Amino acid sequence: EPEVTQTPSHQVTQMGQEVILRCVPISNHLYFYWYRQILGQKVEFLVSFYNNEISEKSEIFDDQFSVERPDGSNFTLKIRSTKLEDSAMYFCASSWDISYGEQYFGPGTRLTVT
Amino acid sequence: DAKTTQPNSMESNEEEPVHLPCNHSTISGTDYIHWYRQLPSQGPEYVIHGLTSNVNNRMASLAIAEDRKSSTLILHRATLRDAAVYYCILRAIQGAQKLVFGQGTRLTINP
Repeated sequence: EPEVTQTPSHQVTQMGQEVILRCVPISNHLYFYWYRQILGQKVEFLVSFYNNEISEKSEIFDDQFSVERPDGSNFTLKIRSTKLEDSAMYFCASSWDISYGEQYFGPGTRLTVT
Repeated sequence: DAKTTQPNSMESNEEEPVHLPCNHSTISGTDYIHWYRQLPSQGPEYVIHGLTSNVNNRMASLAIAEDRKSSTLILHRATLRDAAVYYCILRAIQGAQKLVFGQGTRLTINP
């Protein structure tokens, strides 16, 4: 069964450093998402991406964040200058449909900012 | 985003049916009811969704009240692997693509 994959599974970085989290969505999916979950808290939406542009973003997704689909298979989330409060699990998801289709989530990348 | 209300936690025994309730009294006519679950240390996983009629798939059944103000996710025969946080989420048929997760119901399955 096709699945969303994410690398790395765990990333440790120092405050102020740039990180890139990588995702490979399911191959025939058109819509891509990033969510995050701070330890013990709710899963929060960050951004959705379709047709090579951001279609929706949350208040969390400020200028420090960016997304890219560089080569037709990978989908990346970049955090330019990490803060301690960016420490969280980051989940990538993809779907083939815009609204009522199910989203398929990857296993997540645990980001630890020290 | 339309709001849903779920119990914080529920407990059941292995091989017994589980009924997970969700209230969504402010649901609009174009909102689909989605259920996702999150197993320990994993990403959320789609379970089922419906609009008006009851729905069945290999994982679960979804029973939707006639007035659509509540729904129930039914696991027919719980296994230990079904221990997870279950989220009831409303999504408009058009417009917002994002999933808005609440706190969900933490389901514990006793052997």
